[in-house]
Amino acid sequence: EPEVTQTPSHQVTQMGQEVILRCVPISNHLYFYWYRQILGQKVEFLVSFYNNEISEKSEIFDDQFSVERPDGSNFTLKIRSTKLEDSAMYFCASSDVSSNAADTQYFGPGTRLTVL
Amino acid sequence: AQSVTQLDSHVSVSEGTPVLLRCNYSSSYSPSLFWYVQHPNKGLQLLLKYTSAATLVKGINGFEAEFKKSETSFHLTKPSAHMSDAAEYFCVVRRWYSSASKIIFGSGTRLSIRP
Repeated sequence: EPEVTQTPSHQVTQMGQEVILRCVPISNHLYFYWYRQILGQKVEFLVSFYNNEISEKSEIFDDQFSVERPDGSNFTLKIRSTKLEDSAMYFCASSDVSSNAADTQYFGPGTRLTVL
Repeated sequence: AQSVTQLDSHVSVSEGTPVLLRCNYSSSYSPSLFWYVQHPNKGLQLLLKYTSAATLVKGINGFEAEFKKSETSFHLTKPSAHMSDAAEYFCVVRRWYSSASKIIFGSGTRLSIRP
C-alpha cells in the first residue's frame, strides 16, 4: 500500500540554523500539507499546498517558514532560522484530487525536530 | 468556525471490555469527521471517516463511530479492547477552503489497556 515518507526521522539543530524537512507524498496525490505537534500538545495545521502554490497557511506559518515542491516527488518544509520553540514533531500529509478521496489526508511518520 | 472537543484526555479500560472515546464537534456546515490513531513513536493512521453517507461508520481494527447530528457527536467505540489498542486517538473535523481542506485536530485521548 502506498504511503507518505519523511526524512530524516530525527533532526537536531542549533538555534538560528536553517533546516529542511523532506517528504515524499503518495505518488498520485496533488494536495500536500504540513502539520506540527509540540510535545504534549495537539496537532496544529501549518500550511496546505496545491498546484505549486500555498492554498492556506496558519498564523504559525510566518516568514521563517517556506514550502517547496522542487521536483515531481518531494515536498519540503524549510525553517530559515530555527528557534527553540520550533522543536516539535512535523508531519507531512497528502490527499488525492478526486472529490471524495480528497477528504482523506494520509500522514507520514513525522520528523522530530530538536532545536538546541 | 469548526472545532472538535475530545471530552477525555485519558481513558483506561481492561482488556476485553468495551472502549468509548468521546468527541463533540462544532461546524457551520455539514462536516467531514475522522478518527486517527497514533501509536508511540509512530505517525498518524486513519481509523475511519464520516462524509455524509451512513451515520454508522466502520473502521479498521474493529473500531466504529456513529455520527449523531442532534448531539453533535462522533464517539469512537470498540466492543472488546485489545492490548495493541493502547495509543493516542484524535478526533478530527474537516473544513473545506478553496482547493485544499484544512483539518482541525482535537486535543487527543490517550487510551490505556489494563491486562
